[in-house]
Amino acid sequence: DGGITQSPKYLFRKEGQNVTLSCEQNLNHDAMYWYRQDPGQGLRLIYYSQIVNDFQKGDIAEGYSVSREKKESFPLTVTSAQKNPTAFYLCASSSPGQQSNEKLFFGSGTQLSVL
Amino acid sequence: QKEVEQNSGPLSVPEGAIASLNCTYSDRGSQSFFWYRQYSGKSPELIMFIYSNGDKEDGRFTAQLNKASQYVSLLIRDSQPSDSATYLCAVKGRGSTLGRLYFGRGTQLTVWP
Repeated sequence: DGGITQSPKYLFRKEGQNVTLSCEQNLNHDAMYWYRQDPGQGLRLIYYSQIVNDFQKGDIAEGYSVSREKKESFPLTVTSAQKNPTAFYLCASSSPGQQSNEKLFFGSGTQLSVL
Repeated sequence: QKEVEQNSGPLSVPEGAIASLNCTYSDRGSQSFFWYRQYSGKSPELIMFIYSNGDKEDGRFTAQLNKASQYVSLLIRDSQPSDSATYLCAVKGRGSTLGRLYFGRGTQLTVWP
């Protein structure tokens, strides 16, 4: 089945630790996105990538890093510089360029908490 | 920074009623608009998209767009308890931000039996 797989579902971070959230898609989509969701805040864009080996900062990129070495994969690292990382993280993908393909497909999310 | 504002809610309606969800946006040139539904603890799912002024109907859902007023709404007719969720309005970026969506904070809807 085609889709987006995020792992792990739950993740705990110790103070000063970097953690990496995995996102893999087999939809052959060019664009991938990372969103953060806090209660009552909607979705805020962290980073996005429209092609392999290229990515752009979103609205809240500080304390996060990404890579896009393969079309299928867009991992997100939450660094120790992110002082308030507790949130629900959503990965998404799409095929921009055609209106009919503008739909965002979301993964099932990763809930990150601080120990 | 493009703004997408939704009525804050929470919104509570009885089963069978019409639920009306509203959204305004700041970029007058925006062309593409989306409504996502998100159940608690789950990821958002697309329920409607609209590009042209006027109404677009899909089953019990109707999206309404008024570009002159920079306003998009979602009507849910014959509301059911299963419609209880948070509804997110999203607007597609233009120019240098083409390809990304700007989301509102969401409106939480509760349909009581």
